[in-house]
Amino acid sequence: SQKIEQNSEALNIQEGKTATLTCNYTNYSPAYLQWYRQDPGRGPVFLLLIRENEKEKRKERLKVTFDTTLKQSLFHITASQPADSATYLCAPILTGFQKLVFGTGTRLLVSP
Amino acid sequence: NAGVTQTPKFRILKIGQSMTLQCTQDMNHNYMYWYRQDPGMGLKLIYYSVGAGITDKGEVPNGYNVSRSTTEDFPLRLELAAPSQTSVYFCASSYSSGNTGELFFGEGSRLTVL
Repeated sequence: SQKIEQNSEALNIQEGKTATLTCNYTNYSPAYLQWYRQDPGRGPVFLLLIRENEKEKRKERLKVTFDTTLKQSLFHITASQPADSATYLCAPILTGFQKLVFGTGTRLLVSP
Repeated sequence: NAGVTQTPKFRILKIGQSMTLQCTQDMNHNYMYWYRQDPGMGLKLIYYSVGAGITDKGEVPNGYNVSRSTTEDFPLRLELAAPSQTSVYFCASSYSSGNTGELFFGEGSRLTVL
């Protein structure tokens, strides 16, 4: 069956360091992958979309990669700040498939 | 611009009661979704709709019903509430096919079934 895996353990890093979060998927081949941020008690907020032919996408301090061979996406936050502390969710998407399914999310904690 | 609005924000139900969670969006989005999120868990898709009059099941539809009579509204009905339905419910909408367009989420409805 299709599976999306994100590290369930929280990632603790120091302010100023680069945070790297992983999203692995199995048994399907998404054409796109979205990343969302979710703060406690709030709904998720869209961050980035990457297409399978893009390999890498950047937005300010954010960088996402998409390796269809490894079936993996990496989400990087450079020069991390305490305000980046949140849970980050990935959502691989099949072409022509409307059901948007999310990974369990990884909680990021950035310490001053 | 209100975006996606969910009501109520909080509700306590007794086992066996029924209720409807309301969701409305003012962005003229065709696609709408209902998710539930249990503590420490990810989002699970309950139902989704690709337009007025069209709905389909997601990953966890049992115990729920939906309707989509207008583009703006997508209510979620809980029949015979059970403790397993205690969760936070999120409604979302998207502009395009949902395959490339971002989802806009509401603030959530926290439901407790006792």
